[in-house]
Amino acid sequence: ETGVTQSPTHLIKTRGQQVTLRCSSQSGHNTVSWYQQALGQGPQFIFQYYREEENGRGNFPPRFSGLQFPNYSSELNVNALELDDSALYLCASSLGAGVGNTIYFGEGSWLTVV
Amino acid sequence: AQTVTQSQPEMSVQEAETVTLSCTYDTSENNYYLFWYKQPPSRQMILVIRQEAYKQQNATENRFSVNFQKAAKSFSLKISDSQLGDTAMYFCAFMKLGSSNTGKLIFGQGTTLQVKP
Repeated sequence: ETGVTQSPTHLIKTRGQQVTLRCSSQSGHNTVSWYQQALGQGPQFIFQYYREEENGRGNFPPRFSGLQFPNYSSELNVNALELDDSALYLCASSLGAGVGNTIYFGEGSWLTVV
Repeated sequence: AQTVTQSQPEMSVQEAETVTLSCTYDTSENNYYLFWYKQPPSRQMILVIRQEAYKQQNATENRFSVNFQKAAKSFSLKISDSQLGDTAMYFCAFMKLGSSNTGKLIFGQGTTLQVKP
């Protein structure tokens, strides 16, 4: 158990809709990162939040957005869903954004876009 | 830009034997970390081992060890005395150090390892 919980675990959306995925980080962890993992591929970095501010972003369009709340929980929002957005979305938390801090992953949210 | 390549999509090993998973990476950075993560069917990514690039000594964690060749940009994982619970997908990952250090992991494509009884 890593202490990182994600919800929902599975969901199905229609192309063009919007989705919100949620992550509760390990207690005390002030840094949350989101990754997209397509089937059979390695995860790709979407963005990171550190103390409620975006602290780095990968090569994803603006329709991927996020929030981090004062309790350090986080949301990933995706607008105008496309079929290629179907993937496992992983949340990862750590204490601090530094590379020396161990990163803990949740079990992910499976998103299917039809 | 950094890239990580795992050239073995699938591997299998008999229980109790040793297996080595390969990983190469490309970077112009001098200061970075390398990781091996395990992803079982539960999909939760679990850290297996990590290596700081400035350390010449290869990292070891119980049955898991790495062969880090910085000049060759190679980072292989050796699993000794393989157990059925080692069956999973294994990812090699890179993270750079520096002023723009965001803790961003760059993953390879993964190697599916099956341990056979």
